[in-house]
This record gives sequence, structure tokens and C-alpha cells, in this order.
Amino acid sequence: DQQVKQNSPSLSVQEGRISILNCDYTNSMFDYFLWYKKYPAEGPTFLISISSIKDKNEDGRFTVFLNKSAKHLSLHIVPSQPGDSAVYFCAASADAGNNRKLIWGLGTSLAVNP
Amino acid sequence: DSGVTQTPKHLITATGQRVTLRCSPRSGDLSVYWYQQSLDQGLQFLIQYYNGEERAKGNILERFSAQQFPDLHSELNLSSLELGDSALYFCASSVAVDSPLHFGNGTRLTVT
Repeated sequence: DQQVKQNSPSLSVQEGRISILNCDYTNSMFDYFLWYKKYPAEGPTFLISISSIKDKNEDGRFTVFLNKSAKHLSLHIVPSQPGDSAVYFCAASADAGNNRKLIWGLGTSLAVNP
Repeated sequence: DSGVTQTPKHLITATGQRVTLRCSPRSGDLSVYWYQQSLDQGLQFLIQYYNGEERAKGNILERFSAQQFPDLHSELNLSSLELGDSALYFCASSVAVDSPLHFGNGTRLTVT
């Protein structure tokens, strides 16, 4: 049972345009969400996070939006650059006392074309 | 550079064998996590340690075990290896259980 779903395996965008990566989740107990970026032959790199008490978090070109009622979050990259080409993973977790276990989506491969 | 070091980078071994993967977390990070990424699969959480103690278990097989040592480095032991164990194994660390994870570059295990 995939609790975190990234329904688009791949996305292709022109340089300078907006990239929108989507993520849906099923567990209403999730209260912390993260996006990671992964280049080939490297481990995932933390990009941006959002707590369920917010609906938006911005860091430079990256903005994450959270819609709790729809159990949906999205990552916006504006403007997209060729160096953003990577696999993007969405992850979610719920507070379980002293423990948080991240549940990961399968990733979306973003290609930004010059 | 995430500060998390994994060795070896590549490992090729035969079915039935046993291997040990090693991870040094970022300086100051007390939590260590192990993940498996198989072909066409997302990141599957295996196990987490915090300051030497097992904190959480995910989809870790009984043939697999891990530990975190007093110097906070961790080892993942995989035994009675099967072809299906071929995967990328990532280690990650964090300063606290609710902090973002910092990943190493993984160990690519190939079982032939």
C-alpha cells in the first residue's frame, strides 16, 4: 500500500519555465513533508520541507504547497534550470513520540531542457 | 558533500555469501538510517538507530541486521544473499529524529 504517491514518473520542462511536481498521500496522520532531489550515483539531497501547520514554504526558486484537505502537496521550481534535472522524491512522516519514520514516494524524474 | 560516508561504493558477491556495509554519519548526528533502493523501487526504509539503540524497524529481512557503535558509525550486515538483494543501499543521518536526513552516496550491491 503506497501511502505516498508520485503519480508522474517523469516530467519534461523548458528552461526558464515553471516545474510543478506533485505528491499525494493517504495517511491523515502525516504532519511533516519533505522533498529530496537525487542525481545519478549520488544519495538524495534534502531540498525543502513543510509542516502541516503551514500551507506554503518558500526557499529561493523552490516553493512547496500543502493542501491538507486534498492530502496533496506540490513542489514548484521557478525558473527551472538545466541543473535541476534530477529525480525528486516526496516523503512524509507522522509524529510517533520519539520516532519519525519517513514514507517515500517512488520519485519523479525531471528533465529541464535548455 | 553531505558529510555521510559509505563504504564500499561497489560490492559484487555471490549468492549465499555475507557482506557488511559501513556508514559514518555526519559529525554530530546521532541518528543513522538504512535504506534500500531496488530497480524501479522507491526508497525502502530498513532500520534506524539513535545513539547506539535501535529506534525503528521497517521492511528489513531477518537475514539482515545492523548495529550502531559507540563512535556512532553503523554497519549493515546482509547474509545468505539472494539475487533479489541486489540494490543500492543508502545510509542517512540526522541530528534529531525530526530533522531532515542527510544521505551518503550509497553502496551498490550486486549479487551474482
